[in-house]
Amino acid sequence: AQKVTQAQTEISVVEKEDVTLDCVYETRDTTYYLFWYKQPPSGELVFLIRRNSFDEQNEISGRYSWNFQKSTSSFNFTITASQVVDSAVYFCALSELGTSGSRLTFGEGTQLTVNP
Amino acid sequence: DVKVTQSSRYLVKRTGEKVFLECVQDMDHENMFWYRQDPGLGLRLIYFSYDVKMKEKGDIPEGYSVSREKKERFSLILESASTNQTSMYLCASSFRRGAFFGQGTRLTVV
Repeated sequence: AQKVTQAQTEISVVEKEDVTLDCVYETRDTTYYLFWYKQPPSGELVFLIRRNSFDEQNEISGRYSWNFQKSTSSFNFTITASQVVDSAVYFCALSELGTSGSRLTFGEGTQLTVNP
Repeated sequence: DVKVTQSSRYLVKRTGEKVFLECVQDMDHENMFWYRQDPGLGLRLIYFSYDVKMKEKGDIPEGYSVSREKKERFSLILESASTNQTSMYLCASSFRRGAFFGQGTRLTVV
């Protein structure tokens, strides 16, 4: 069975600090996808990134970067120079291709608060 | 842009009522999902569907059923609502191993 663990329930930082959100996953599949979503106070989940299991190249998008390490089953997310607008709940998710469609499993989420 | 629309943003129902939560997507996605979100528990999968009339149980299907008669619409049914089903319900659709979510329905059962 697949599982995603986000050990950090809440993180609080001051604006302009860098912050890393941890994600560890478990899967028996060799082919899978990993995701990060952002849920601002409005409630809607916003897709941030998708990474497949064969692509371990790290990715940077503006102030966001992702570090995928298959050896440690981790897919960590770093926000550089955080801003108040980054305050949200962030979810890591894993998708496996089962015999009947793909199932998406989420971690418990990390509440990030960026204080001015 | 993908659009996933849930029929209600807020809903209040009485214990024992049959409740329908509707979800419609406009991108011809094959997979659709229903999750519930509770504080400290993240998103838990209730049911998902990978094709019309096909459904699979998720992690917490008890007390729920689903219907997918058309590709664009996926309904979640609470056969007899109970107070422990008070929660935020999120619908999602996906095609390429990723999901796009609706705005959520906050259901309160009194």
